Amino acid sequence: EVQLLESGGGLVLPGGSLRLSCAASGFTFSGYAMNWVRQAPGKGLEWVSAISGSGGDTYYADSVKGRFTISRDNSKNTLSLQMNSLRADDTAMYYCAKEKGEVPDFWGQGTLVTVSS
Amino acid sequence: DIQMTQSPSSLSASVGDRVTITCRASQGVSSSLAWYQQKPEKAPKSLIFSASNLQSGVPSRFSGSGSGTDFTLTISGLQPEDFATYYCQQYNSYPITFGQGTRLEIK
Repeated sequence: EVQLLESGGGLVLPGGSLRLSCAASGFTFSGYAMNWVRQAPGKGLEWVSAISGSGGDTYYADSVKGRFTISRDNSKNTLSLQMNSLRADDTAMYYCAKEKGEVPDFWGQGTLVTVSS
Repeated sequence: DIQMTQSPSSLSASVGDRVTITCRASQGVSSSLAWYQQKPEKAPKSLIFSASNLQSGVPSRFSGSGSGTDFTLTISGLQPEDFATYYCQQYNSYPITFGQGTRLEIK
């Protein structure tokens, strides 16, 4: 059974940093690209970042480029998102999602990030 | 960036009804279009990929069509569990973009 468990969310001051993790199980982690997608309170879905199965290719939304870094450790079946220079508009539920055929086909339950003073 | 526009933004329907949600891309995305269902306080669930292919386990009352810039999601014979918010997403090119969502409510 595929499982994705996000962690690392919390309350952080504007300008601060946070590192999100997503623990994967139930599938061959290195064989699949992974994504981060976020959802601000009461708003729609916003794609944040993606990484290839090998980790060699990464992609970012313009809104986070230069501030966020996606990475993965295939030996530990873990996806990460390092978030720096956080702003109030980064406040959202952050979901990790496994890709199949370029489409996020399975999503974790999310971890909430709140950026506030 | 490719803009995805869904219509309507909200929709009221009854159990048993047939409903259609449309999604329009600001430029062609071939068939690289997916649909998701999201219920309150839950993670999105993938329904359809490649515009018309059902994910495993998705009931056959869901169907998708279209290519290029215009796409539709149809639910034939609404069930109580179908009342949710639906999003389209293009994955033809980065950045991946979503529609703003269509909220399907019980009439």
